[in-house]
Amino acid sequence: AQSVTQLGSHVSVSEGALVLLRCNYSSSVPPYLFWYVQYPNQGLQLLLKYTSAATLVKGINGFEAEFKKSETSFHLTKPSAHMSDAAEYFCAVRRGGGNKLTFGTGTQLKVEL
Amino acid sequence: NAGVTQTPKFRVLKTGQSMTLLCAQDMNHEYMYWYRQDPGMGLRLIHYSVGEGTTAKGEVPDGYNVSRLKKQNFLLGLESAAPSQTSVYFCASSYVANTEAFFGQGTRLTVV
Repeated sequence: AQSVTQLGSHVSVSEGALVLLRCNYSSSVPPYLFWYVQYPNQGLQLLLKYTSAATLVKGINGFEAEFKKSETSFHLTKPSAHMSDAAEYFCAVRRGGGNKLTFGTGTQLKVEL
Repeated sequence: NAGVTQTPKFRVLKTGQSMTLLCAQDMNHEYMYWYRQDPGMGLRLIHYSVGEGTTAKGEVPDGYNVSRLKKQNFLLGLESAAPSQTSVYFCASSYVANTEAFFGQGTRLTVV
């Protein structure tokens, strides 16, 4: 079975501060991992994906994530938050060779002045 | 490019009524998915399809049926709507299993 745990349903940062959104996964085989962003009343948009190539993955809008097998983690970071980053972020996992894409419960990011 | 299109965008149903949600993709993707999104629960997979003519159950399939008669379309049906099915429904598609999924804009369904 595969699952995803996102620690912290709400995260608040100041504009210009580091953004760190946590994601831990469980998978019996090497996984494919994704981060999606959802702006209000919209669908989900892919931020970045890990597919067993480089462990540090760079995505859109200055976000990046590092795959750490020893910690079964795939945390999302951005060095400097912008007001436009306020949204809900979802981590998702697909077991290698599997058909299902399983999502975490999401983290709402708030960016304050 | 249209990508993934969901119809309708909003709907209010009375308990016991039926309806069909339509998802259409123009990317020639093999895989299609239906999710529901509820506050604090993330996205939960209802049903999915790995190709034309195939369907499979996800995490929360009860009360829903699906069909994939054409590769580009994936229909989600509610035979007898219940208030517990009030949710936002998202359709997604992907080229193959190990690629990212592309999402539609969602259908907000309210069952009263």
